[in-house]
Amino acid sequence: GAVVSQHPSRVICKSGTSVKIECRSLDFQATTMFWYRQFPKQSLMLMATSNEGSKATYEQGVEKDKFLINHASLTLSTLTVTSAHPEDSSFYICSAGTSGRPETQYFGPGTRLLVL
Amino acid sequence: DAKTTQPPSMDCAEGRAANLPCNHSTISGNEYVYWYRQIHSQGPQYIIHGLKNNETNEMASLIITEDRKSSTLILPHATLRDTAVYYCIVRPQSGNTPLVFGKGTRLSVIA
Repeated sequence: GAVVSQHPSRVICKSGTSVKIECRSLDFQATTMFWYRQFPKQSLMLMATSNEGSKATYEQGVEKDKFLINHASLTLSTLTVTSAHPEDSSFYICSAGTSGRPETQYFGPGTRLLVL
Repeated sequence: DAKTTQPPSMDCAEGRAANLPCNHSTISGNEYVYWYRQIHSQGPQYIIHGLKNNETNEMASLIITEDRKSSTLILPHATLRDTAVYYCIVRPQSGNTPLVFGKGTRLSVIA
């Protein structure tokens, strides 16, 4: 299947700092990528839809000014957690879809964020 | 909200077939059934998808009932590495829509 990478795989930061997470589709182009968040023992929750060349679409309850998304190319989307707090500690996962009908979503390995 | 219902957990003996059921009684005619699994602390892994015919690939088989209201994912010879949470998701065939995850089934493969 198609490969999606994320960087970093894990990050520890101090409260109040910002953290950038990269999501790359390695062997295909994706006009749309999705960002999810997963808390311990819970399922994945969709945060936002990242559209190449346009603004991201955020799910209800997700602050767009706190979770900045940039999708500058067909292979890269970034999620920046601004002014991180301990409650932002979570497992962040991105996905990207290949072309085709229907298109299939492939997921990155995830980024574990711990805010102290 | 997820449009599927799955049992919360299942056990399977190593080497035996694992049959994971999923109910999707409100599925629409243009919606596919997708299966993903998530091994602990990893991103979800795509397994298989289907519309109305049964499908098979190197990982699993997908059996969809004729009325499309339920399906079964079959892992023919389960191994310890198949221990994971398995998610059944319905999704339209058109458009680049996100996957909506329910709680899935936690499959434990036992030696």
